[in-house]
Amino acid sequence: DTAVSQTPKYLVTQMGNDKSIKCEQNLGHDTMYWYKQDSKKFLKIMFSYNNKELIINETVPNRFSPKSPDKAHLNLHINSLELGDSAVYFCASSQEITGRRISEAFFGQGTRLTVV
Amino acid sequence: GENVEQHPSTLSVQEGDSAVIKCTYSDSASNYFPWYKQELGKRPQLIIDIRSNVGEKKDQRIAVTLNKTAKHFSLHITETQPEDSAVYFCAAAQNTGNQFYFGTGTSLTVIP
Repeated sequence: DTAVSQTPKYLVTQMGNDKSIKCEQNLGHDTMYWYKQDSKKFLKIMFSYNNKELIINETVPNRFSPKSPDKAHLNLHINSLELGDSAVYFCASSQEITGRRISEAFFGQGTRLTVV
Repeated sequence: GENVEQHPSTLSVQEGDSAVIKCTYSDSASNYFPWYKQELGKRPQLIIDIRSNVGEKKDQRIAVTLNKTAKHFSLHITETQPEDSAVYFCAAAQNTGNQFYFGTGTSLTVIP
């Protein structure tokens, strides 16, 4: 079973459209993340979310919004898509483990978004 | 917030040689330092990690060292093989935080 899964894997859409990327984890983790990986391969944190708080990277435009219907899901909704939004978006999750330590982050397979 | 710097951005080595990638971090509260390998078109996957109560950790051909005083940590790959070719990312996180901060990545090429 895939631990962190994202859909779709590829997404091609026109400028101005609204789209969503879904993410689900079956690891029982309590924290989920969205990362953006641009053409230079930089992994930039966009959001982190657990059942207590949402942390938003201040550089993320408010056209991007995370939506969490439950602990196992963190979807990414994007309004008014722009050319510069083209990138690979990764969902990830982690957990607090024994001794109040953070676990590794497990990544989904990524969603390649192309805005035309 | 945390700032993680990673060097070099690209690295080419001959098969069988060693490769070293270095990272520095800014926040002394960071206490968990994972390393990820990302093959072309794939997801980043953990290859080794180290916590702040340990100075060195080894797993077969891969080792990581941590200097908390200097706030830097390094990945060492010995006896490199062509399948080690990938992009490697270091990261820093806090046990009580909710974020992983990644370095800018190192593209490693192992030449057969």
